[in-house]
Amino acid sequence: KQEVTQIPAALSVPEGENLVLNCSFTDSAIYNLQWFRQDPGKGLTSLLLIQSSQREQTSGRLNASLDKSSGRSTLYIAASQPGDSATYLCALSNDYKLSFGAGTTVTVRA
Amino acid sequence: DTGVSQNPRHKITKRGQNVTFRCDPISEHNRLYWYRQTLGQGPEFLTYFQNEAQLEKSRLLSDRFSAERPKGSFSTLEIQRTEQGDSAMYLCASSPLRAGGYNEQFFGPGTRLTVL
Repeated sequence: KQEVTQIPAALSVPEGENLVLNCSFTDSAIYNLQWFRQDPGKGLTSLLLIQSSQREQTSGRLNASLDKSSGRSTLYIAASQPGDSATYLCALSNDYKLSFGAGTTVTVRA
Repeated sequence: DTGVSQNPRHKITKRGQNVTFRCDPISEHNRLYWYRQTLGQGPEFLTYFQNEAQLEKSRLLSDRFSAERPKGSFSTLEIQRTEQGDSAMYLCASSPLRAGGYNEQFFGPGTRLTVL
């Protein structure tokens, strides 16, 4: 069974600081990894998808890396803004099923 | 808006009642998924469909739960004889069926169920 861990559970930073969010997993036999954003009481918004054969993906201020050998992924958010405040979840796919971590709740202070 | 939609957005019911939720996926997506999320946790997989066929069910999906996807379009999730432990956010997602691990899942806004 895939176990996904996200540490820390919560993070508070001043505006402008770079964010580093960590995700670790136990089973490297994955199809892909997705990072999601979730605002309170809302659904999930897909941020980035990294296929199993890829090492990283970038979208604007977001960059995600994948290291299957060590069972880790990292999401970097550059120059954080108050609008980045949300919970960020990583999820590993076995082709159809996503296994999620519990998320990191980020607060960006103005 | 061509995203995943779910109805209702909120449902309050009394213990023992039956409830039904609906999900409309992105129109060209073959796959449809149901997840359940409780407070402070990540979503947990319940079941998924490829077109109209239900291909996998989690052990979390007790016999009080049933899901359908008639004609491979929208899907319904029914919970019979609801219990307080069923209170959660029920999320629906859809994805295309593509080779090479690029089955990006897109989520709807969820249905929040409260069982009194």
